[in-house]
Amino acid sequence: GENVEQHPSTLSVQEGDSAVIKCTYSDSASNYFPWYKQELGKRPQLIIDIRSNVGEKKDQRIAVTLNKTAKHFSLHITETQPEDSAVYFCAAIVNYGGSQGNLIFGKGTKLSVKP
Amino acid sequence: DAGVIQSPRHEVTEMGQEVTLRCKPISGHNSLFWYRQTMMRGLELLIYFNNNVPIDDSGMPEDRFSAKMPNASFSTLKIQPSEPRDSAVYFCASSPWEGGNTGELFFGEGSRLTVL
Repeated sequence: GENVEQHPSTLSVQEGDSAVIKCTYSDSASNYFPWYKQELGKRPQLIIDIRSNVGEKKDQRIAVTLNKTAKHFSLHITETQPEDSAVYFCAAIVNYGGSQGNLIFGKGTKLSVKP
Repeated sequence: DAGVIQSPRHEVTEMGQEVTLRCKPISGHNSLFWYRQTMMRGLELLIYFNNNVPIDDSGMPEDRFSAKMPNASFSTLKIQPSEPRDSAVYFCASSPWEGGNTGELFFGEGSRLTVL
């Protein structure tokens, strides 16, 4: 089955700096890679996703890159702000024919942005 | 839509008691997932349903755990008997699977379970 590794487990940056979180996956059939943000005591929420036919996707200060050959994908946050402080989860999914696949999450990265 | 609704939000029980967690997915979503979150193990997929049918329950820890989805608007996760190591936040999520394109998972607020 799919296995997703995420690094680092904690990341501390100064406000305005960039933050990068990296994930690797094991199943070459995986074709969908979302990133979720979870603020303290709240539910995970999707912030950006990428599909296997795209190498990079950007949404304002957030970007995700995908390298299918190496089976890794990364989240980039530029010009970080204190409200970016949260736990970020990467995930990978394998779509089974005819039904929704199951989403396997990495262990999460706790990002702290210091003012 | 009110989003995914879970109940109870908090449950404190004693070891050996039965626990039932409930979930109402977003109307029109045809996939439903149960996840367990702990500090040590992160977000673990327990089971997921597609069109009310269990597709993968390999994440269910043991026979003490069971999940049902009797109709498109309701699912339960039951633990019987409960043990202290079951203490965690249990999330339900639903998704509008779009016939080949994976849909976003929408999470409920979670049910925080404490087993004493």
